[in-house]
Formats: sequence, C-alpha cells, structure tokens
Amino acid sequence: AQSVTQLGSHVSVSEGALVLLRCNYSSSVPPYLFWYVQYPNQGLQLLLKYTSAATLVKGINGFEAEFKKSETSFHLTKPSAHMSDAAEYFCAVSEPGGSEKLVFGKGTKLTVNP
Amino acid sequence: EAGVVQSPRYKIIEKKQPVAFWCNPISGHNTLYWYLQNLGQGPELLIRYENEEAVDDSQLPKDRFSAERLKGVDSTLKIQPAELGDSAVYLCASTKGQAGGVDEQFFGPGTRLTVL
Repeated sequence: AQSVTQLGSHVSVSEGALVLLRCNYSSSVPPYLFWYVQYPNQGLQLLLKYTSAATLVKGINGFEAEFKKSETSFHLTKPSAHMSDAAEYFCAVSEPGGSEKLVFGKGTKLTVNP
Repeated sequence: EAGVVQSPRYKIIEKKQPVAFWCNPISGHNTLYWYLQNLGQGPELLIRYENEEAVDDSQLPKDRFSAERLKGVDSTLKIQPAELGDSAVYLCASTKGQAGGVDEQFFGPGTRLTVL
C-alpha cells in the first residue's frame, strides 16, 4: 500500500529565507508524486508533479522538488519565501497504471514571518 | 474556464439529520472524486466515478453515505443520518480521465460540514 509522511506539521520561515518542506513516500512500484497547496477556505491547487521523467521538477510560484529514489523522498523547496506562500502544503502519491487514487500526507502548514 | 463548483460552502446541521452536497465538475472531465478532509489531515478518497459508474467506493461508509452521478456530470454526496464525527470538509475533484494516474486533479473549494 502507498503512503506519504510529511515531517513537520508546522514550518515557520522568514520572508526571503529558504523554504524546505519534507515528504517521504512508500510505494511498491515507482510512483507518481505530487505537491498541492491549499489556501484558507479554498480547494487544493497543484504545484508540481513527478511522473518518472526528470528527477528535478519545477512548478508554479518558484517551487521545485527533487525525486530521490534512494531516499524515497520528494522534498519541496523554494529559494526565497514570500508572504503569499503562507498556506498548507500536501504531498501525495499515486501508482502508475493504477486507479488514479491519490494518497495524501497530513500536510505541512507554512508560516512566513515578515 | 470555470473550475469545480461545490455547494453549499458551509452547512450546519443537528446530528441524525440528513445532508447533501452537490458538485459540478469542470466541463468535459469524465472522472469525478469525493474526498473527506478532517481537520489537520490530508484528503482521503471516498468514491471515484468514471462517467456515471462508481469504480472505487471501497472507502465510502455505505451504512450512512451514498453518492450518485446521474448522466455522468453533476454528482451528489449524501449522509443520512449524520453523526458528530462527520464534521469535516468534503472536497470534490475532477480530471479528464487520462489513464495511468498522471492526470492533474482539479479541486473545488469544498463544503465545510458541522454536525452539532
């Protein structure tokens, strides 16, 4: 069965600082991996996805993530945080050729301090 | 292009009452999902439709929950009777239905249910 672990339910950074949100996955087959962002009282929006092409994936709003098979990780980074990045971030996994079911982590709430 | 539409956005009911949520997916999206999101948790799949067929309802508590997607477009999720533990956000998502788990799921804003 697939699963996702997001380390740190809350992360706080200063504006302009590096953002690092951690995600580790478990999957019996090479997975597809996703990062979604959720702003208050809104639905989830896709930031980026890994589908077995390049291991470094660039997404919207300056975010990127690197797939590391040896570490079973897919951490999300952004070089310089902006106040508008404050939101909740979810990592998710699905199986290629499978049911298209997304299995989400518990989420990490990012706070950006001025 | 309009996004996924859900209504109502908020609902407060007494326990044991019935409640229904409505979802209108993006036009042309054949696959529709209902997710449950508890406070402080990630979304969990309740049911997935391919057109009008429910192809994965293994996580749907069928004693009190039901869903339908007549004509393969709009969908309704119902709870009867509601329990205190049903308080959560119910999210609807849709995709074009490209095979293989690659397709981006587009999410609606959700319905926040409070059961008193």
